[in-house]
Amino acid sequence: GEDVEQSLFLSVREGDSSVINCTYTDSSSTYLYWYKQEPGAGLQLLTYIFSNMDMKQDQRLTVLLNKKDKHLSLRIADTQTGDSAIYFCAERDDSSASKIIFGSGTRLSIRP
Amino acid sequence: NAGVTQTPKFRVLKTGQSMTLLCAQDMNHEYMYWYRQDPGMGLRLIHYSVGEGTTAKGEVPDGYNVSRLKKQNFLLGLESAAPSQTSVYFCASSYRERAVEQYFGPGTRLTVT
Repeated sequence: GEDVEQSLFLSVREGDSSVINCTYTDSSSTYLYWYKQEPGAGLQLLTYIFSNMDMKQDQRLTVLLNKKDKHLSLRIADTQTGDSAIYFCAERDDSSASKIIFGSGTRLSIRP
Repeated sequence: NAGVTQTPKFRVLKTGQSMTLLCAQDMNHEYMYWYRQDPGMGLRLIHYSVGEGTTAKGEVPDGYNVSRLKKQNFLLGLESAAPSQTSVYFCASSYRERAVEQYFGPGTRLTVT
C-alpha cells in the first residue's frame, strides 16, 4: 500500500536554512503536499507541488520533487522561531476519493 | 467564515461510554473527512463522506460510526469507547473530489480511561 516516510525531528539555528525530507511509495500520486501544524492547532496547507513539476518556490519555501527516487523535500530559508512546528509530508491518492496519505510528521525546533 | 469547527475541544471518557464528535463547515464543501492523529503515526483516515447522506470507510474505521445528515455537518460516533481510541481527532473538508486542498479543524483531544 501507500506509505510516506519522514524523519521525526530536526533542529536548526535561527537564520539558517531548514531542509525536511520525505519519501513516498505511490508512483501514481498527482499532488504532494507539505502541511504545517502549530501546537494545539489543526493542519494548515503550507505548499503543494503537482507531480509533473520538479520544483516550486514560494517566498522562503522551496519544494523539490525527485520522481525517480520518490523523494520530496521542503527547504525553509532564513528559519525563524515562528517556523517551529510539525511539518507533514502527504500525497494524494487519486484512485480513491482524494484520500490524502500523511507521513508521521517532522518536528522542527529552532535554537537561538 | 468560521471554516471548519469541531465540538468539543477536549473530552475524557470512561471505557464503554459513548459520545459524538461534531464537525461543521460553512464553505459549502461536498467532501468531509475524519482523521485520528497518534504520536509518531501521522494522520489516519477513519471515515469520509462524498456528499450529504453518503459515508464510506477509511483506513481505520473499526469502533467508529459516522453520519452526514446535513451537508455542513459530519458526525463521528464512538458507541463503546476503548483506551485504544485515545487520540486527537481532526475533521477536514474539501470543495470537490479533486480539489487541491483539504481544510482542517482545530482538533478534538479525546482520552479514554
